[in-house]
Amino acid sequence: GAGVSQSPRYKVAKRGQDVALRCDPISGHVSLFWYQQALGQGPEFLTYFQNEAQLDKSGLPSDRFFAERPEGSVSTLKIQRTQQEDSAVYLCASRRSETQYFGPGTRLLVL
Amino acid sequence: AQKVTQAQTEISVVEKEDVTLDCVYETRDTTYYLFWYKQPPSGELVFLIRRNSFDEQNEISGRYSWNFQKSTSSFNFTITASQVVDSAVYFCALWNTGNQFYFGTGTSLTVIP
Repeated sequence: GAGVSQSPRYKVAKRGQDVALRCDPISGHVSLFWYQQALGQGPEFLTYFQNEAQLDKSGLPSDRFFAERPEGSVSTLKIQRTQQEDSAVYLCASRRSETQYFGPGTRLLVL
Repeated sequence: AQKVTQAQTEISVVEKEDVTLDCVYETRDTTYYLFWYKQPPSGELVFLIRRNSFDEQNEISGRYSWNFQKSTSSFNFTITASQVVDSAVYFCALWNTGNQFYFGTGTSLTVIP
């Protein structure tokens, strides 16, 4: 498609469950980003890929968070042993030139 | 360190009024970019405008206009003759050509018919 797509759009998980969030960037975009957006806040950086290389993961909040982009296109953000504080919207973006284009996000609720 | 401040948490205006959303930024870099994004209830961040630090020309696009002033580190956004469809959360963001964007906390705009 023309824009960044993410799936699922909504995910409800029980505490302790593992989840996987998918991002399909705009075709041809080399750079891909993941952000976490808590309720009432702006997006906070999690991690950045250039092609398949993860160049920055300084924003990942704990070692329960893991991201990959094995073929340089689709990316998956995995959260292991989810906790209630992981509840947020997870946004994916891809970049062309100086502008990041965002997907609709995955709203994660951990019960 | 990079920081973006949007002091207005919520604004309500009556349809057809003009409204200005404030954005103040902090950076020590000489090369940087400033952005405005719109986040409607559907959740997707929609790109509105990008300015680089070397171009202080103000810009107008239809009912939208942006005022970039390096002297006050501000990048304000004005909507003229607001419409109900303008209701959304608006984010200002800064990129210093590093790996991430820095977002403000957003301003929630409600346009009352």
